[in-house]
Amino acid sequence: TQLLEQSPQFLSIQEGENLTVYCNSSSVFSSLQWYRQEPGEGPVLLVTVVTGGEVKKLKRLTFQFGDARKDSSLHITAAQPGDTGLYLCRSGTYKYIFGTGTRLKVLA
Amino acid sequence: GAGVSQSPSNKVTEKGKDVELRCDPISGHTALYWYRQSLGQGLEFLIYFQGNSAPDKSGLPSDRFSAERTGGSVSTLTIQRTQQEDSAVYLCASSLVSGSSYGYNEQFFGPGTRLTVL
Repeated sequence: TQLLEQSPQFLSIQEGENLTVYCNSSSVFSSLQWYRQEPGEGPVLLVTVVTGGEVKKLKRLTFQFGDARKDSSLHITAAQPGDTGLYLCRSGTYKYIFGTGTRLKVLA
Repeated sequence: GAGVSQSPSNKVTEKGKDVELRCDPISGHTALYWYRQSLGQGLEFLIYFQGNSAPDKSGLPSDRFSAERTGGSVSTLTIQRTQQEDSAVYLCASSLVSGSSYGYNEQFFGPGTRLTVL
């Protein structure tokens, strides 16, 4: 059973475009984290969201936790090639469960 | 101090051989996790250590896989009689666990060991 479904699975866009990726579950989570993994490296934490409806911004990245704490989104404004990587969400309730991942490629 | 380190960075082995993968977590981190990542895929949980104990081994794919942790620090993942389907990147992560706030704790990952079984 996959607790965390991410969409889209793959995304290839041009530099400067905006995009949104999603992390969805049928379960309620106490918190949710987003990680980014660049080629050849391990994932690195971007943000932790805790409160339903919470919005956090990290430069051009905007993270939102759903009101019911079952879903989250990551929006990137004016994507850059440095944003390329695998984006993973992680459940705060099930401490070692990660989402299926969204692989983003930003073309210069 | 230093981050999570893993060795070797790359391992090529022949089908049927045993391999050992090592993980050195961040000093003081009591929780340690092993994951497997196949090409282009997400993270597949293998095993979790709290100190030297493994409360959850549910992710180990078969009895050919085992792991241990000694001194609350270094961990070794052993794969016996390797098969071609074992080829993947094996990632180790550690976190500082305090109380029941597991979900708030950041997992710090090593760079992984790329295992290729010929």
